[in-house]
Amino acid sequence: KAGVTQTPRYLIKTRGQQVTLSCSPISGHRSVSWYQQTPGQGLQFLFEYFSETQRNKGNFPGRFSGRQFSNSRSEMNVSTLELGDSALYLCASSTQGEGEAFFGQGTRLTVV
Amino acid sequence: QKEVEQDPGPLSVPEGAIVSLNCTYSNSAFQYFMWYRQYSRKGPELLMYTYSSGNKEDGRFTAQVDKSSKYISLFIRDSQPSDSATYLCAMIGDSWGKLQFGAGTQVVVTP
Repeated sequence: KAGVTQTPRYLIKTRGQQVTLSCSPISGHRSVSWYQQTPGQGLQFLFEYFSETQRNKGNFPGRFSGRQFSNSRSEMNVSTLELGDSALYLCASSTQGEGEAFFGQGTRLTVV
Repeated sequence: QKEVEQDPGPLSVPEGAIVSLNCTYSNSAFQYFMWYRQYSRKGPELLMYTYSSGNKEDGRFTAQVDKSSKYISLFIRDSQPSDSATYLCAMIGDSWGKLQFGAGTQVVVTP
């Protein structure tokens, strides 16, 4: 059974640019959550999608957005990148959002 | 005050010892509890998942949940150098899909 796949694994972007990250969940999982991990703040919840609808949202500015497709794959977009957006971005999938959540390997974003 | 408190360590133990990790939480709505292991520059790996109070064992790992005290624990028996990693507790309450994490405890198992 394939795990959660995140692409790309690494990204280097310039301040002001935008970026799109992709997450393919485990087959059959309908809930996809996104997290930002930094050394100072730890793992912080960005948002969660279930059946193409954003169900929960964390305390991040509107520059962070996402969507989910009918096949449960999800994308996350960050516009007008700032240096502080440099982090490991992780997605997790679960069947409905209440059970075991499995993470991908993450996308390491560096903003220069 | 954070909803989930976890000592960041580092916690250093000799090979073969029992590693004891714990988290406390304040939100009584939390009902699903998980422990993850994360190696440097990798995604978190799910180790244990529990729903009710009590103990759950899986190989060298034992997870305990005490909802009355809002306290969860993870024990690792016969620790190995390969167990050196950061261990994160996580919980879900009534906001499905939103995991609330502890800060993570760095564990170092010395040969």
